[in-house]
Amino acid sequence: DIQMTQSPASLSASLGETVTIECRASEDIYNGLAWYQQKPGKSPQLLIYNANSLHTGVPSRFSGSGSGTQYSLKINSLQSEDVASYFCQQYYDYPWTFGGGTKLELK
Amino acid sequence: EVQLVESGGGLVQPGRSLKLSCLASGFTFSNYGMNWIRQAPGKGLEWVASISSSSSYIYYADTVKGRFTISRDNAKNTLYLQMTSLRSEDTALYYCARHEGVMDAWGQGASVTVSS
Repeated sequence: DIQMTQSPASLSASLGETVTIECRASEDIYNGLAWYQQKPGKSPQLLIYNANSLHTGVPSRFSGSGSGTQYSLKINSLQSEDVASYFCQQYYDYPWTFGGGTKLELK
Repeated sequence: EVQLVESGGGLVQPGRSLKLSCLASGFTFSNYGMNWIRQAPGKGLEWVASISSSSSYIYYADTVKGRFTISRDNAKNTLYLQMTSLRSEDTALYYCARHEGVMDAWGQGASVTVSS
């Protein structure tokens, strides 16, 4: 199984700041990576797919990058509505696996 | 508007069975693969099972293989998860999600609590 290691587990940042969340796969996943945002009490919402493609309706301050085993999600100019947990997920091979999540809070 | 509505959750004793349903609307259900993903209280996401659009391909997480069965009825636009031999560690919020490569639409979840 492909293991997804996500860091940091928690993050505190100020409004307007740029934040980056990392995800490392235990083997090459050939950009088969998605990022999801989950706000408290809500279901996950797709942000990024294929490592760097922005899902419809997602603000352009979100971006994804990476290749091979190393991927990242960047949020530019942090807004209050970005307070949430973020998860990476590989869909290159079954079983699909998620990173442990990053809880983003406002400083 | 794409909608996925889960139902069938509840409190069940260890070793018993429960069947979840997910009613889809707002898209052509038979064109999409579907999935179940769960989230234990305060924890992260765990993929449980996937089924292709025509039910030709089915995959399970090792943690549920042999106990859970995913199925679908395209005529009824409904996805199912039959859960047997339930354990306390199966306690979670169960989401259904559609996929076309990536999971781009999720339901609100059905809560399953396994406890005596």
